[in-house]
Amino acid sequence: LAKTTQPISMDSYEGQEVNITCSHNNIATNDYITWYQQFPSQGPRFIIQGYKTKVTNEVASLFIPADRKSSTLSLPRVSLSDTAVYYCLVGNTGTASKLTFGTGTRLQVTL
Amino acid sequence: KAGVTQTPRYLIKTRGQQVTLSCSPISGHRSVSWYQQTPGQGLQFLFEYFSETQRNKGNFPGRFSGRQFSNSRSEMNVSTLELGDSALYLCASSPMFGGTDTQYFGPGTRLTVL
Repeated sequence: LAKTTQPISMDSYEGQEVNITCSHNNIATNDYITWYQQFPSQGPRFIIQGYKTKVTNEVASLFIPADRKSSTLSLPRVSLSDTAVYYCLVGNTGTASKLTFGTGTRLQVTL
Repeated sequence: KAGVTQTPRYLIKTRGQQVTLSCSPISGHRSVSWYQQTPGQGLQFLFEYFSETQRNKGNFPGRFSGRQFSNSRSEMNVSTLELGDSALYLCASSPMFGGTDTQYFGPGTRLTVL
């Protein structure tokens, strides 16, 4: 199973760009990288998914280098409401490896 | 479209009892996965069901079991509860099994074992 490593916590001021990196050294060829956001007492919410290079949607960007051993979630101009735990998930549906969550990064955004 | 629903939201049981948790996936979704979330272990995969068949299983003892019905609704059962089973149990659904489908999570059931 692909194991992921993320920083335990990060702090940011409102309006700044936040980059959270996830290491996944033993990612498999058919594994995808997915990021989720979780607020207290709620289930994780999908943010973005990618396989390689760069993916961007309306809320975030995901950067994946060529070797795919890491990935970086980029949140532009964070607000207080972005305070949450962010999880990196590596795997693919169809095998149990899709379901290996990292320890999560607790992002605290302040004024 | 309604999201994933889980019932009950909160549950208090005592050691030795058993508990059944229910999950209704998003309409049209056929794959349901269950996770246990605790402060110490984080999010851990329990099992996944698709077309009423368990497709994947995590590293949990046999006291944890599940099933899926023909309408894709799923239940998980924990027998002989232990204090360490206190956790947030999350259900997630996705359209199919295999591929890159995103998982959509429910709000969870908070189980407290006394």
